[in-house]
Amino acid sequence: DAGVIQSPRHEVTEMGQEVTLRCKPISGHDYLFWYRQTMMRGLELLIYFNNNVPIDDSGMPEDRFSAKMPNASFSTLKIQPSEPRDSAVYFCASGIEQFFGPGTRLTVL
Amino acid sequence: RKEVEQDPGPFNVPEGATVAFNCTYSNSASQSFFWYRQDCRKEPKLLMSVYSSGNEDGRFTAQLNRASQYISLLIRDSKLSDSATYLCVVIRSHSGNTPLVFGKGTRLSVIA
Repeated sequence: DAGVIQSPRHEVTEMGQEVTLRCKPISGHDYLFWYRQTMMRGLELLIYFNNNVPIDDSGMPEDRFSAKMPNASFSTLKIQPSEPRDSAVYFCASGIEQFFGPGTRLTVL
Repeated sequence: RKEVEQDPGPFNVPEGATVAFNCTYSNSASQSFFWYRQDCRKEPKLLMSVYSSGNEDGRFTAQLNRASQYISLLIRDSKLSDSATYLCVVIRSHSGNTPLVFGKGTRLSVIA
């Protein structure tokens, strides 16, 4: 099992650009979580899905953030337009047991 | 008061020492508890679950105190490789709200 796969691993972009982060969860897991981690705020839950359905997106900071899970093997987190304060490491985690992917380190200049 | 609080540390301890961390939670309806370990620039990984009866895995012991609303992690005979940040996770009751909350973590540095 390859575990949770995230891409890209690193992303550097300019303010105002659209950013799309991708996650492939572990096969058979019903839950998928998106997190953001910064030094100041720690690990924050943004949104989670159960059986591809978004259950709680109250952690999404604002309308610039959106997430989709079109099928059980793929999810995206999109930021449009991106801002420097969005710079962070974004993790997705698979299953209620929280198997984390390696994360995407996002830098918005 | 934050829902889940941890002493950020750092805890600097010599090899072989015993070290303990606490994590307090404010929601008395919290159901499940876990400890995660996060190495520098890596993802968090599940270390162990926390049960009311306590949970021991080798040098690691996790305990839950519901009356005082905290969980603890004890590391005996600490190794250099134990240096990491330890995050506690509290699972809320499944009431439709965000199901879990991570603490900000406690940083441990084991020194030779």
